[in-house]
Amino acid sequence: QLQLQESGPGLVKPSETLSLTCTVSGGSISSSSYYWGWIRQPPGKGLEWIGSIYYSGSTYYNPSLKSRVTISVDTSKNQFSLKLNSVTAADTAVYYCARHVQSRDWFDPWGQGTLVTVSS
Amino acid sequence: EIVLTQSPGTLSLSPGERATLSCRASQSVSSNYLAWYQQKPGQAPRLLIYATSSRATGIPDRFSGSGSGTDFTLTISRLEPEDFAVYYCQQYGSSPYTFGQGTKLEIK
Repeated sequence: QLQLQESGPGLVKPSETLSLTCTVSGGSISSSSYYWGWIRQPPGKGLEWIGSIYYSGSTYYNPSLKSRVTISVDTSKNQFSLKLNSVTAADTAVYYCARHVQSRDWFDPWGQGTLVTVSS
Repeated sequence: EIVLTQSPGTLSLSPGERATLSCRASQSVSSNYLAWYQQKPGQAPRLLIYATSSRATGIPDRFSGSGSGTDFTLTISRLEPEDFAVYYCQQYGSSPYTFGQGTKLEIK
């Protein structure tokens, strides 16, 4: 059974870079047709897709965040990562990683999520 | 970007009743690529429905989806106590993928 687990600092200072990693277990991140995405949810609010990556390194991002986001993949560790720079309090959210299939881009399964707070 | 508007914001019903949740898109959703998720407090969203009307693995048949174009509906035929949660729709017909703001289904 495929499982995803987010990890990284729970507290980031304003203007710094948020860095998270998603570790995939129970399956290979290099499986063809699968994309790996990041979604976030501010406390008490809705969901926002951040961006996604294919095992080859091909990425696509939400234009609203594109200038600040980098998603990368490490197939040797079965992991993919998120970097969001120049963070502000508005970036405080639960960050989820999830899998989706090319051209069938619903998200399933999801990681449990990790809360990142931006505060000095 | 396609904006999804869910209604109502909150729905108060009793177990055993029928729930009808709406998701309206600002423009037509390509190929009716619309999904529904259920989220309980402190948990990640769980996929219920994809491609407008296909149930995900393990989802009870009391959950059903319908619609096309810009108007989509999630129906729960007979509410069970575990169904009270927040529900989100998501379109994946065009990038950026977007979600509705959610409908909270609460016990009356």
